[in-house]
Amino acid sequence: DTAVSQTPKYLVTQMGNDKSIKCEQNLGHDTMYWYKQDSKKFLKIMFSYNNKELIINETVPNRFSPKSPDKAHLNLHINSLELGDSAVYFCASSHMRVQETQYFGPGTRLLVL
Amino acid sequence: GESVGLHLPTLSVQEGDNSIINCAYSNSASDYFIWYKQESGKGPQFIIDIRSNMDKRQGQRVTVLLNKTVKHLSLQIAATQPGDSAVYFCAENINDYKLSFGAGTTVTVRA
Repeated sequence: DTAVSQTPKYLVTQMGNDKSIKCEQNLGHDTMYWYKQDSKKFLKIMFSYNNKELIINETVPNRFSPKSPDKAHLNLHINSLELGDSAVYFCASSHMRVQETQYFGPGTRLLVL
Repeated sequence: GESVGLHLPTLSVQEGDNSIINCAYSNSASDYFIWYKQESGKGPQFIIDIRSNMDKRQGQRVTVLLNKTVKHLSLQIAATQPGDSAVYFCAENINDYKLSFGAGTTVTVRA
């Protein structure tokens, strides 16, 4: 059984396009996160949502808009994609706070051409 | 094998030897620390955590040591196996909803 799932796994697109990444967790967690991992493997938080409410927005450009339709889902929409957006995006979830184990999804590899 | 200093991006270790991965954290107020393992093409996977009221915690073949005086965290892996080859990240909590990750150490196990 998949705990945290993401779709698609790979995403190749042209500069200027708009794309979405979907995330779902079946762990019953209240908090979900989006992370960006760059080519040097550096992992950085983008957003945290608790009970569908935005808690953390780490100075991410407005082109990135997360949406949480319910506690089990946190989607990421990216407008006007730029070359620098190429990275691996990970979704994660935890019960309430980060002090409770975060479970990560398999990642979405985004390549902007 | 051991990564020395604050951080080394790579660590090569002989199969069967013990590995030590070091990490320096930045926030004196952090009270929760975690080690994650990331295998190629996969998401980070929880290994072990430790809270600031402890200085040592043991799991299966892994031990985490916390030195709050010098803001240092280490992960020890006993009898390193080929399946331990991965990138290892330490992380600290900045607040209740944010983890800050270290740069990662790539561990390669030699047969």
